[in-house]
Amino acid sequence: QKEVEQNSGPLSVPEGAIASLNCTYSDRGSQSFFWYRQYSGKSPELIMFIYSNGDKEDGRFTAQLNKASQYVSLLIRDSQPSDSATYLCAVMGSGSARQLTFGSGTQLTVLP
Amino acid sequence: DAGITQSPRYKITETGRQVTLMCHQTWSHSYMFWYRQDLGHGLRLIYYSAAADITDKGEVPDGYVVSRSKTENFPLTLESATRSQTSVYFCASSTLDPSDTQYFGPGTRLTVL
Repeated sequence: QKEVEQNSGPLSVPEGAIASLNCTYSDRGSQSFFWYRQYSGKSPELIMFIYSNGDKEDGRFTAQLNKASQYVSLLIRDSQPSDSATYLCAVMGSGSARQLTFGSGTQLTVLP
Repeated sequence: DAGITQSPRYKITETGRQVTLMCHQTWSHSYMFWYRQDLGHGLRLIYYSAAADITDKGEVPDGYVVSRSKTENFPLTLESATRSQTSVYFCASSTLDPSDTQYFGPGTRLTVL
């Protein structure tokens, strides 16, 4: 069974700090990797996707992928209280079904 | 407005009743998905559909039925609701483009008494 593990939370960081969220996956054939943000009582919304090894930056967010280590991370620079949410890592495995396997999420709190 | 909608947003039902959750998207996305979200389990895929009249099981399909006669609609039916099906249900859709991004509806909170 394909597994996606996220670092256990909750995670608290002070405003302005860097928040680091980590995710490992078991399916070595996985192709695409996604980070979603979910506010309490709301639906997940996409932050970033990455499918090549290395870093991908979008504003204050940087996704990092290392397929050899089966590891993907999300860095949030200059964290803001509005970043407080649960962050979900999702992995699309090999095959054409476009199914995502989600981690259980990491709850992030940014303290003012 | 274009997007993905779900109805009802909240539903309370009793054990043994049939319940249908509706999902409608206006993007003409090929793929549609149903997930349930429970504390400690994250999002788990129930069923998905690659196109009209093409559906397939996900990780937790037991007790659920889906259909997709039109591209824009993907209803999920609980044939005989059980308390273990109390959950938040999310519908999602995606295109066939390389990013394969899934966009989620607002969710339906279902309580089975």
